[in-house]
Amino acid sequence: DAGVIQSPRHEVTEMGQEVTLRCKPISGHNSLFWYRQTMMRGLELLIYFNNNVPIDDSGMPEDRFSAKMPNASFSTLKIQPSEPRDSAVYFCASSYFGTGRDEQYFGPGTRLTVT
Amino acid sequence: GDSVTQMEGPVTLSEEAFLTINCTYTATGYPSLFWYVQYPGEGLQLLLKATKADDKGSNKGFEATYRKETTSFHLEKGSVQVSDSAVYFCALIDGGYQKVTFGIGTKLQVIP
Repeated sequence: DAGVIQSPRHEVTEMGQEVTLRCKPISGHNSLFWYRQTMMRGLELLIYFNNNVPIDDSGMPEDRFSAKMPNASFSTLKIQPSEPRDSAVYFCASSYFGTGRDEQYFGPGTRLTVT
Repeated sequence: GDSVTQMEGPVTLSEEAFLTINCTYTATGYPSLFWYVQYPGEGLQLLLKATKADDKGSNKGFEATYRKETTSFHLEKGSVQVSDSAVYFCALIDGGYQKVTFGIGTKLQVIP
């Protein structure tokens, strides 16, 4: 299994630009999670989906952030417009909820730098 | 609400020393408990888990026992190696919810 795939691995952009982060979960998993990690705030859950439906987006910082999951094998996290304080590592994770094997599998992350 | 408390670190140990990282939790239901490890520049990886009281999770020489009476899940290893240097996260999933509650992470540095 290829694991959770994220792209790009690194993104450098200027303030005000749109940023799109991509995630391919593990095949067969039915839940997908987006996290943000910074030194100051640690690991924060932004949003999660179950069967492609957003279940909890209470962690999304503000309206500049949006996430979609058009099908079981693809999700995007978009920031528009981006700001320097959005600089962080963004992780996608997936799991198979409902079998008792509910541990999450993380991707390698996207390091975002907004200048 | 649910919460996980773990020592902040960093923890610095010499190679072959004994490791303990404390973790206690608060949960409204009957949670599953996890330890995840994050190596530099990588995502989190599941290290071990336990799903019910008195279960012991183990992997790569690490162990943790689910103690319901003390609401704890302390991570231990008898002899650490330089390659164990990483950040360790204690976490729980409570009942029927999928959200994982993570601790703040404890950075471990093992010196030769």
